[in-house]
Amino acid sequence: EPEVTQTPSHQVTQMGQEVILRCVPISNHLYFYWYRQILGQKVEFLVSFYNNEISEKSEIFDDQFSVERPDGSNFTLKIRSTKLEDSAMYFCASNPTEVRTEAFFGQGTRLTVV
Amino acid sequence: EDQVTQSPEALRLQEGESSSLNCSYTVSGLRGLFWYRQDPGKGPEFLFTLYSAGEEKEKERLKATLTKKESFLHITAPKPEDSATYLCAVQAGAYNTDKLIFGTGTRLQVFP
Repeated sequence: EPEVTQTPSHQVTQMGQEVILRCVPISNHLYFYWYRQILGQKVEFLVSFYNNEISEKSEIFDDQFSVERPDGSNFTLKIRSTKLEDSAMYFCASNPTEVRTEAFFGQGTRLTVV
Repeated sequence: EDQVTQSPEALRLQEGESSSLNCSYTVSGLRGLFWYRQDPGKGPEFLFTLYSAGEEKEKERLKATLTKKESFLHITAPKPEDSATYLCAVQAGAYNTDKLIFGTGTRLQVFP
């Protein structure tokens, strides 16, 4: 069964460092998303991406965040200068279309900023 | 502001003891309501999508229903393997937004 794959599963970084979280969406999907979940809190939308550009972003997704689809298979989330409050599970998701379909989520990357 | 509220926060059931989880929503123009299951340290796993009031969907011991203000996830004769956090999410508003708005979830524990 096709699945969304995320790497690494866990990343520890020092405050102020840049991190790149990687995702391989399901191959025939066209819409890609990043969500995050701070421990004990709800899953929060960060950004959606379609046709090589951001289609929507939340207030959380400020200038320190960026997304990229560098090739036909990978989708990345970059955090330029990490803060302690960036510690969370980051989930990548993909959809074949954006209308009335569920998002397929990856297993997540646990980011710990120390 | 669109909001999703789930109750209870946590639920402990004996194996075989049926119950329901609630998801109430306040949104402008519901386009879809989604139920996901999330195991500890894992990503949300899709269960159901409901689109209009009166709609019902079933999968094994789970049944999801939808009204104009809330959705219920009914669990019939649960087993220990049903233990997980159940998340409700909505997609709402104009068609130029497809983000999911999640509730905080209900943590279900089923004991043998």
